Amino acid sequence: DAKTTQPPSMDCAEGRAANLPCNHSTISGNEYVYWYRQIHSQGPQYIIHGLKNNETNEMASLIITEDRKSSTLILPHATLRDTAVYYCIVESGNTGKLIFGQGTTLQVKP
Amino acid sequence: GAGVSQSPRYKVAKRGQDVALRCDPISGHVSLFWYQQALGQGPEFLTYFQNEAQLDKSGLPSDRFFAERPEGSVSTLKIQRTQQEDSAVYLCASSFRGGEKLFFGSGTQLSVL
Repeated sequence: DAKTTQPPSMDCAEGRAANLPCNHSTISGNEYVYWYRQIHSQGPQYIIHGLKNNETNEMASLIITEDRKSSTLILPHATLRDTAVYYCIVESGNTGKLIFGQGTTLQVKP
Repeated sequence: GAGVSQSPRYKVAKRGQDVALRCDPISGHVSLFWYQQALGQGPEFLTYFQNEAQLDKSGLPSDRFFAERPEGSVSTLKIQRTQQEDSAVYLCASSFRGGEKLFFGSGTQLSVL
């Protein structure tokens, strides 16, 4: 079973920041938080990952709480092309085997 | 190649027919994964290879499912005696080595009639 909990759906206005929450209260000390997204009819795409510290790349920012029990993915200026299912996954970093949950369907609206 | 390539993109099979799905990972990638995705669901893990070794096949739903990667590059997922419940998108992913981010192909959509 997936070790994360995400809201099933969210809406965001185009050009605004999209903040996607994820709970992972049973995360172990050696497990990373990964975010992937899946646009319709495509395979999942890696976005970002982190262990303890906040991370930022060209796609998004990842904010992890100090107790590591939850995190937030931030898309700073959402566009219509960001409409997708976003998956938050915890993984130990040993094999790369990902256990997907249901994810959050983000709808970016004009 | 530039990314993970899967073929065919679409496959229609009659119930009871055998099918073979191909995955070409990114050149040099050691790890290869197969996932099954039913409509409206998240991908479910099937099996994992490190080079030619199948290290985890815990997700294969039955003995009708078989995967191989004989030379540590191209992989084939074979489903024997297909059933309607096998209808799904089958996704392949690869990574440079274990524990690194996965690159996914676009999948093969299998429809069993």
